[in-house]
Amino acid sequence: EAGVAQSPRYKIIEKRQSVAFWCNPISGHATLYWYQQILGQGPKLLIQFQNNGVVDDSQLPKDRFSAERLKGVDSTLKIQPAKLEDSAVYLCASSLNPQGAGEQFFGPGTRLTVL
Amino acid sequence: GNSVTQMEGPVTLSEEAFLTINCTYTATGYPSLFWYVQYPGEGLQLLLKATKADDKGSNKGFEATYRKETTSFHLEKGSVQVSDSAVYFCALGGGTSYGKLTFGQGTILTVHP
Repeated sequence: EAGVAQSPRYKIIEKRQSVAFWCNPISGHATLYWYQQILGQGPKLLIQFQNNGVVDDSQLPKDRFSAERLKGVDSTLKIQPAKLEDSAVYLCASSLNPQGAGEQFFGPGTRLTVL
Repeated sequence: GNSVTQMEGPVTLSEEAFLTINCTYTATGYPSLFWYVQYPGEGLQLLLKATKADDKGSNKGFEATYRKETTSFHLEKGSVQVSDSAVYFCALGGGTSYGKLTFGQGTILTVHP
């Protein structure tokens, strides 16, 4: 079974530029998550999709971050314009069952450096 | 809201030493508890989980028991190996969080031969 795919793996941009990350979840997983992991901290949820609907985006900085999952499969996370503090690893995860003990499967992440 | 606190790190041990990484939590409802591990250069992967009070999760020689009375989920291993060197994250989910995982800050473990 293929895992969660993410691209690119690394990205370096200047502040005020825009960037986009792509995620393809495990086949059949209805729930998709984007987390931000700043160096030395645990991942923090940015947005959660159930199929192509948003379940939770309370921690997403909506003035600069946007995300979509148009067909309920793969997803794109965009930052425009980027700030220095956006330097982090962006993790995508997916799960079959969003409730209870449903395991989340994580992709390898995209490491973003904003200069 | 939900929160998870892990012991300060990093932790450095010799091979075959006993490992404990402390984790305490604050949550509403009845969450599930998880330990995730991140090996160098790899993504996060589930190590073990427990879904209700007094449950013990175990995998690869690691164990953790869901203690509701002390709101804790400490990770233990009787004899660590060099290959256990990684970052360990305690997390909670389920309950009222509808799938969202709340992570601790992570503990870096380094095991020397």
